[in-house]
Amino acid sequence: DSGVTQTPKHLITATGQRVTLRCSPRSGDLSVYWYQQSLDQGLQFLIQYYNGEERAKGNILERFSAQQFPDLHSELNLSSLELGDSALYFCASGGGEQYFGPGTRLTVT
Amino acid sequence: AQKVTQAQTEISVVEKEDVTLDCVYETRDTTYYLFWYKQPPSGELVFLIRRNSFDEQNEISGRYSWNFQKSTSSFNFTITASQVVDSAVYFCALSEESGGSEKLVFGKGMKLTVNP
Repeated sequence: DSGVTQTPKHLITATGQRVTLRCSPRSGDLSVYWYQQSLDQGLQFLIQYYNGEERAKGNILERFSAQQFPDLHSELNLSSLELGDSALYFCASGGGEQYFGPGTRLTVT
Repeated sequence: AQKVTQAQTEISVVEKEDVTLDCVYETRDTTYYLFWYKQPPSGELVFLIRRNSFDEQNEISGRYSWNFQKSTSSFNFTITASQVVDSAVYFCALSEESGGSEKLVFGKGMKLTVNP
């Protein structure tokens, strides 16, 4: 158990919809990283937050956004979903060593 | 730009064989970090090791060992006396500290199957 929690574990939704994925970092970690794992693109960094502020941005689509709240949990919002957004979404926390949550498997139908 | 190459996509071995997973990286920075992660069939990503670019000492942890060679930009991972439970996809990753972020760049992964 990495100490990072993610909900929900699975999500099935239709194209055009909007979903929110939630992540709670390990106790004491200020950084949260979001990654997407798909068959086409592999594991890709999306965005990082540190103590509530955006720290780095990767290959994140404009339809996607994230935030980190004062209690340090983070949410990744995906809107106008397309079939190609189906993937496993991970969050990780840590300063140096990144520990990953179990992931949210998103299926867009 | 950073890049991680895992040339092997899939390896199949018989239990108790030793197996080495190759990782070659590209970076322009002098300070960087290298990682290995394991993704078993259950899907989670399990942290195995983080090594900084100034520490070229090889590391051993039980049946796992890592060989870091800056001269060839490689960070290879060896599993000794493999077991069925080692069956997983293994990812090598690289990060550079940039603006306080250590975002990871992953290789495409290598699927290891250990047969009894």
